[in-house]
Amino acid sequence: GESVGLHLPTLSVQEGDNSIINCAYSNSASDYFIWYKQESGKGPQFIIDIRSNMDKRQGQRVTVLLNKTVKHLSLQIAATQPGDSAVYFCAEWGSQGNLIFGKGTKLSVKP
Amino acid sequence: GAVVSQHPSWVICKSGTSVKIECRSLDFQATTMFWYRQFPKQSLMLMATSNEGSKATYEQGVEKDKFLINHASLTLSTLTVTSAHPEDSSFYICSANRGSYEQYFGPGTRLTVT
Repeated sequence: GESVGLHLPTLSVQEGDNSIINCAYSNSASDYFIWYKQESGKGPQFIIDIRSNMDKRQGQRVTVLLNKTVKHLSLQIAATQPGDSAVYFCAEWGSQGNLIFGKGTKLSVKP
Repeated sequence: GAVVSQHPSWVICKSGTSVKIECRSLDFQATTMFWYRQFPKQSLMLMATSNEGSKATYEQGVEKDKFLINHASLTLSTLTVTSAHPEDSSFYICSANRGSYEQYFGPGTRLTVT
């Protein structure tokens, strides 16, 4: 199903610390998940993806964890930088090729 | 990489007028494009699926006569907001599928209806 968030949760971290952003998804049959970063006034930017046959995937400074048992995704950002400040969305691939977005989390990095 | 553009990037119109937003896949062909709407501090909500050469499929609660979608070619989909009202003010984002599990987003269009 689709998620609507009236108020974005906010995560505030110190520069250099690690960030963990969490997301719950709705469809246990979903087989593909993506994390997006969205800066103010811009479209979503792809960060990292993971298929349902994996439970962990690493990129540059980012790691995605997938727990299918509880339908939970997390995005870990190592050594968070001010440029990482943005809103982060998880998305699951829908049956029609569309993306179903989670509520989003605003990450604020303090220098 | 695959690039999707939107035009205009922002538009201000008067209540009752119509506005057309274009979505183009610049370096690939897309048989399917999607239109999303995003209100402030909220997530992206799918409005409709645009298929080249056929009628768009609208999500529940989205008025097809108000939000006209035309996917006239493999690289262009347009969204026309007819008789716009202030409550239609939002950030409209399109995306295009290039293949299996490949979806690319446009930069968005900020619509303000006064």
